Amino acid sequence: SQTIHQWPATLVQPVGSPLSLECTVEGTSNPNLYWYRQAAGRGLQLLFYSVGIGQISSEVPQNLSASRPQDRQFILSSKKLLLSDSGFYLCAWSPRTGWNQPQHFGDGTRLSIL
Amino acid sequence: SQQGEEDPQALSIQEGENATMNCSYKTSINNLQWYRQNSGRGLVHLILIRSNEREKHSGRLRVTLDTSKKSSSLLITASRAADTASYFCATDAGSGYSTLTFGKGTMLLVSP
Repeated sequence: SQTIHQWPATLVQPVGSPLSLECTVEGTSNPNLYWYRQAAGRGLQLLFYSVGIGQISSEVPQNLSASRPQDRQFILSSKKLLLSDSGFYLCAWSPRTGWNQPQHFGDGTRLSIL
Repeated sequence: SQQGEEDPQALSIQEGENATMNCSYKTSINNLQWYRQNSGRGLVHLILIRSNEREKHSGRLRVTLDTSKKSSSLLITASRAADTASYFCATDAGSGYSTLTFGKGTMLLVSP
């Protein structure tokens, strides 16, 4: 069966510090991968998605970047965090093939910027 | 931007009652999906309904889709305390990459 792992679960970082959040998927190959941010009491905002190694699409201009160095690894980064980067970050995957595929989410990283 | 808008924002019911949540969206879609999120956790996929389908069932869940009104509803029958969670609709506009646009969600509280 497929599983998705995100870490760390919680993170407290000072303003201006760098960020690296990691997501890995097991039990499937060539998945589509996604990074979302969820502000308190709100829905999910798609930040990045990837359909293959090295292929990253950005949905919103921001202080963050994403990379996919391996097929089942997706990394969210920032060189200098802003207060507005606080939130709940979720990674998800979906099967590459076929239409009408659901997404499967990790348990998220709660990021607090001080 | 958020395309789906759930209604109501919050819903409080007793165990055994039915819960109905509604979702409206703005553009054409390939499918619409419903997800559940327990507090502080990731989202769990509940059900997917394609644009050419009108109704779908899964256990105690019933989803309807009206593409002419650009709306969907999620019905949970015989609610249990364990159903307490936030529920989100998400639309897939058919980009081919299964990218989704989420609404803000309905927070459901089921009291024993």
